[in-house]
Amino acid sequence: KAGVTQTPRYLIKTRGQQVTLSCSPISGHRSVSWYQQTPGQGLQFLFEYFSETQRNKGNFPGRFSGRQFSNSRSEMNVSTLELGDSALYLCASSSEFGGGGYTFGSGTRLTVV
Amino acid sequence: GEDVEQSLFLSVREGDSSVINCTYTDSSSTYLYWYKQEPGAGLQLLTYIFSNMDMKQDQRLTVLLNKKDKHLSLRIADTQTGDSAIYFCAESHMNTGFQKLVFGTGTRLLVSP
Repeated sequence: KAGVTQTPRYLIKTRGQQVTLSCSPISGHRSVSWYQQTPGQGLQFLFEYFSETQRNKGNFPGRFSGRQFSNSRSEMNVSTLELGDSALYLCASSSEFGGGGYTFGSGTRLTVV
Repeated sequence: GEDVEQSLFLSVREGDSSVINCTYTDSSSTYLYWYKQEPGAGLQLLTYIFSNMDMKQDQRLTVLLNKKDKHLSLRIADTQTGDSAIYFCAESHMNTGFQKLVFGTGTRLLVSP
């Protein structure tokens, strides 16, 4: 059974640009959530999607957005990149409400220069 | 409020037991998780426990939950050098539909030969 796949693994962008990250959940998983990991702030929740609907959102500016497709694959977008957006972005999937634990992907390392 | 706290660092000798501690916010319906992160990798779910349980054992891992003190611990028996990693405690609550994980700062475990 394939795990959670995130692409790309590494990304370098310039300030002001926008970026789209992709996440393919485990087959059959309908819940996908995104987290940002930085040395200063640790792991912070961005948003969670279930059946193409955003059910929960963290405290991030509107520059951070996401969506989920009918096949449960998800994308997150960051517009007008800032240096502080440099981070490891992690995607996780779960079969139902997440109480049984989320399975994480390897992440996308975004560097903004 | 949401707050999960962990000690930052633990050093043990190979073959000893490791105990990683975590304190969390109180909720009557809470899942508590332990994740492991190795360098350059995503998060690996080790185990989880629901707040109506006191203990869970899975091979070398033992999770103890003290609801009165809001304290969670992970004991790793016969610790190996391959256990060296950062360990994160996390919680999710029924009031957010268990959709959002709140992570601790992580405990860096160093196992020396």
